[in-house]
Amino acid sequence: SQTIHQWPATLVQPVGSPLSLECTVEGTSNPNLYWYRQAAGRGLQLLFYSVGIGQISSEVPQNLSASRPQDRQFILSSKKLLLSDSGFYLCAWSVIQGNTIYFGEGSWLTVV
Amino acid sequence: GENVGLHLPTLSVQEGDNSIINCAYSNSASDYFIWYKQESGKGPQFIIDIRSNMDKRQGQRVTVLLNKTVKHLSLQIAATQPGDSAVYFCAASGGYNFNKFYFGSGTKLNVKP
Repeated sequence: SQTIHQWPATLVQPVGSPLSLECTVEGTSNPNLYWYRQAAGRGLQLLFYSVGIGQISSEVPQNLSASRPQDRQFILSSKKLLLSDSGFYLCAWSVIQGNTIYFGEGSWLTVV
Repeated sequence: GENVGLHLPTLSVQEGDNSIINCAYSNSASDYFIWYKQESGKGPQFIIDIRSNMDKRQGQRVTVLLNKTVKHLSLQIAATQPGDSAVYFCAASGGYNFNKFYFGSGTKLNVKP
């Protein structure tokens, strides 16, 4: 069966520090991969999606970037965090386009 | 872009009653819809989905209804249990861009014992 892991689960970072959140999917090949952000009490905002290695689409201009160095690995990064980057970050995957998206357990980021 | 919203931010029901959570979408090209359940501090969990060629789909204690005419879908939970307490999201596919799903802000379901 397929599983998705993301880490760290919780992160407290000072303003201006870098960020790296990592996500891996097991049990499938060539998945579509996604990064979402959820502000407290709000819905999910799509940040990035990737249909293959090295292929990244950005949804909104922001202080973040994403990379996909391997087929089942998706990384969310920032060179300098802002207070507004705080939130709940969710990695997700789907088998093919237009199919169900499955989420990881999320990473809580607090920028102080 | 897609606008997906929920009619009620909070819904309180008595244990054992049926729950109905509603969702509206704006993109008539959306052809795939998903309901998720999100417990506090966790990632959303898939509940049930429906494609636009159907108007009803049933799962275990859950039913999703789709009305494409008015761009509305609902999630019905039968015999609601305390474990059903969570935030429920609907998601609509982006229509012409199959990689995008748009989520509503969620409805919080409180089940009273």
